Order: sequence, then structure tokens, then C-alpha cells
Amino acid sequence: RKEVEQDPGPFNVPEGATVAFNCTYSNSASQSFFWYRQDCRKEPKLLMSVYSSGNEDGRFTAQLNRASQYISLLIRDSKLSDSATYLCVVNPMDSSYKLIFGSGTRLLVRP
Amino acid sequence: DAMVIQNPRYQVTQFGKPVTLSCSQTLNHNVMYWYQQKSSQAPKLLFHYYDKDFNNEADTPDNFQSRRPNTSFCFLDIRSPGLGDAAMYLCATSSPWSSGLESTDTQYFGPGTRLTVL
Repeated sequence: RKEVEQDPGPFNVPEGATVAFNCTYSNSASQSFFWYRQDCRKEPKLLMSVYSSGNEDGRFTAQLNRASQYISLLIRDSKLSDSATYLCVVNPMDSSYKLIFGSGTRLLVRP
Repeated sequence: DAMVIQNPRYQVTQFGKPVTLSCSQTLNHNVMYWYQQKSSQAPKLLFHYYDKDFNNEADTPDNFQSRRPNTSFCFLDIRSPGLGDAAMYLCATSSPWSSGLESTDTQYFGPGTRLTVL
């Protein structure tokens, strides 16, 4: 089983749609969780950290479910510019310095 | 202003011809990482430095070496590139002692070097 698993997609949605991605992680001791965004042929960039209580940043909402070991990302009112790959990232806490990346979920927002 | 810089952005080398990729940072972060990323795959950690302490991943081939002469610079050496080493190579930094709201394990990536092996 992979340490971090994501549905690869692609999710193909119209502008204005709401879309949700889930990610599962295998190490129950994991403490830090992130969503990174990666555009085609570019580097990953931090989108948001995921906190235990859940957090929101504009159109983006991240949730953590420790009991089921999954993280979600909700994007409301999708824009064309949201088209990218979204990487779920976990710190497994066997080291403070290493992150485990999922393979990413690809989102395509169409006009 | 660029915070993590990678050079070159594109590198073409021949099978078996050594190549060096460079990374520099203006963030003064303790930790620097090298990742390999192939198409539609997750970034794969090759190794990282905590200050001058080198930490190799168990499955990183011996063909890959790294040097960190100072806080700001880190190099990835591929001694004998094979066709399977063609990939995007990403450098990242983090600072376990960050203060404020930023998570201490947030990593900041450079733009990457895309390596082609002929």
C-alpha cells in the first residue's frame, strides 16, 4: 500500500463547479498535512496546510479526518486557472524534515 | 524575488556523460532536498541535507551524489546518466526552526531542472 494515495483523475469540470479531492495516508502517527498545487512542467507550490479543525482559504477548504486517515480538498466556484495537479502531502513524523507526496489529482476546468 | 534557484532549467546530456545540477537559496534554510519527478508521478526524495549532515534515501542509486559546500548551495551529481534518469529534478528547502504561523515542515521548491538523456 502506498503511503499517500490519491485518485489520479482527471477531474473535468465546468467553470463555477464545486469539486472535491480525497487523499488517504497509511501512517496513523502522521501529524502534518498539506495540499500542494503543481502546474504542468512547473514546481509544486504550497496551496495550504491542513489543520485538525479544518481550514478555509477563499474558495479552498481543507479537512482532515484522523479516524479514517484521509484529507480532503474542496474547491468552490472553479476557475479556469485552477486547472493543475493537486498533490496531497504528509509528514509521516518518522523524521521532522521529510514529506511524502501523493502522485497527484489532475483537475481540468473547462469554459 | 526568486528564493530557490536552480540552474540550468534544461539540461541535455549524453548517455553516461556526467552532469551536475545546481541549486541555491536565499532563505537561509537549514534543510535542502533533491527530488526526482517523472511524468505523472510523485516527487521522489533522493536525499537531503540538514546543515552539513547528509541523509541518503535507501533506494537512491549510487549513481546519484550530492554536495553542499555552504548553506546557500547544493549540487546534484549524476555520475553516469542512463535513459531512465531523464526526469525533472527539483530542489527544495525547509527550516525546522521557522517561527510564526508557517509550518516548520513546509518545503519551498525551485523551478526544477528538466534533464534529457540522449
